[in-house]
Amino acid sequence: AQKITQTQPGMFVQEKEAVTLDCTYDTSDQSYGLFWYKQPSSGEMIFLIYQGSYDEQNATEGRYSLNFQKARKSANLVISASQLGDSAMYFCAMREVPLAAGNKLTFGGGTRVLVKP
Amino acid sequence: GAVVSQHPSWVICKSGTSVKIECRSLDFQATTMFWYRQFPKQSLMLMATSNEGSKATYEQGVEKDKFLINHASLTLSTLTVTSAHPEDSSFYICSARIAGANPDTQYFGPGTRLTVL
Repeated sequence: AQKITQTQPGMFVQEKEAVTLDCTYDTSDQSYGLFWYKQPSSGEMIFLIYQGSYDEQNATEGRYSLNFQKARKSANLVISASQLGDSAMYFCAMREVPLAAGNKLTFGGGTRVLVKP
Repeated sequence: GAVVSQHPSWVICKSGTSVKIECRSLDFQATTMFWYRQFPKQSLMLMATSNEGSKATYEQGVEKDKFLINHASLTLSTLTVTSAHPEDSSFYICSARIAGANPDTQYFGPGTRLTVL
């Protein structure tokens, strides 16, 4: 069974500073995908960044980067130069790759980020 | 690209009535759509996986007779909450998967907030 753990229920960050959101996962699969989504107060889930288990380099997308440490089974999200609009819930998720698993996503409990001006 | 819409965005209904929620992929064909449920301050819980032209696959503990899912075309899936009760009040959110995309990502709709009186 898979499990995604986000140990930080909430955190404050000063505008323009960087913030790291923790995510650890547990899987016996060798092939898997890790995702981060942002959920503003409006409710929609916004895809931020993806890391494949076989990707050797850490994924980056603009101000988002993923610190992937496979041996430690962690996939932390780093948001650089925080903006007020970054205030939201952030979810880490893992996708089961085997076809029989149906490409389902399992989500962590989320971390609420509040950016202070 | 990769826009998913949901309708309605919110609905209030009386206990015992049925409510239909639509999920549409606007600019791509989605062979697979997923339905999630999210309670306040909690994470997303997968309810079912919907494949075009076949029966939905429900997660353990989800009543298939209560939550009817139809995926009649490559761009539309519907979730019908039958005989709704106050405990069914929740935020329902769908996602759609682009088959063959790299990375294989789920794109989410804006969600539907259901309140059962």
